[in-house]
Amino acid sequence: DVKVTQSSRYLVKRTGEKVFLECVQDMDHENMFWYRQDPGLGLRLIYFSYDVKMKEKGDIPEGYSVSREKKERFSLILESASTNQTSMYLCASTYFGLVDTQYFGPGTRLTVL
Amino acid sequence: QKEVEQNSGPLSVPEGAIASLNCTYSDRVSQSFFWYRQYSGKSPELIMSIYSNGDKEDGRFTAQLNKASQYVSLLIRDSQPSDSATYLCAVKVNNNDMRFGAGTRLTVKP
Repeated sequence: DVKVTQSSRYLVKRTGEKVFLECVQDMDHENMFWYRQDPGLGLRLIYFSYDVKMKEKGDIPEGYSVSREKKERFSLILESASTNQTSMYLCASTYFGLVDTQYFGPGTRLTVL
Repeated sequence: QKEVEQNSGPLSVPEGAIASLNCTYSDRVSQSFFWYRQYSGKSPELIMSIYSNGDKEDGRFTAQLNKASQYVSLLIRDSQPSDSATYLCAVKVNNNDMRFGAGTRLTVKP
């Protein structure tokens, strides 16, 4: 059974804090993605990675960075959290070249006060 | 113009009716199209994919694609209250990139 897990379901942080969101998949997928989901805006791609130590910017990378040191783990980092980064963050993974079937994690609802 | 557009809804249909969800996309070279279902508080799950013009049926779900009109739709026959969710249209842009619409919220009333 495919599985994508995220480190937290709910997170509350203060403005200026450094925030780490972790995603782990057990399907040996090459591709991993970080999205944020906001009402009326849908899913927007922040970063994706197609291999260890490789990363590509998505549509809204500003204020975020990522790390992929191991194939199964993809971390999203908010260097200095701001209130406009309050959102639902979704991680997904898929085989390289087969972006068709994206498997999503349960999501992390982040609130920045 | 957004790359993938959907009516945000909410779309409300009575139980047993046909629910029709629509999506338009702007990139003419897009080849692959998907419908995801997202229950409130949950993550999206893939329910249908379609790659060729025409209809594709899977149980109570039918996806329809018209590449000339850059239009893809999802029909849900015999709608059930358990179908109440947000439906996301997604378009594959290249091998590593998928673009999602904002979603249409569907409510099926008993």
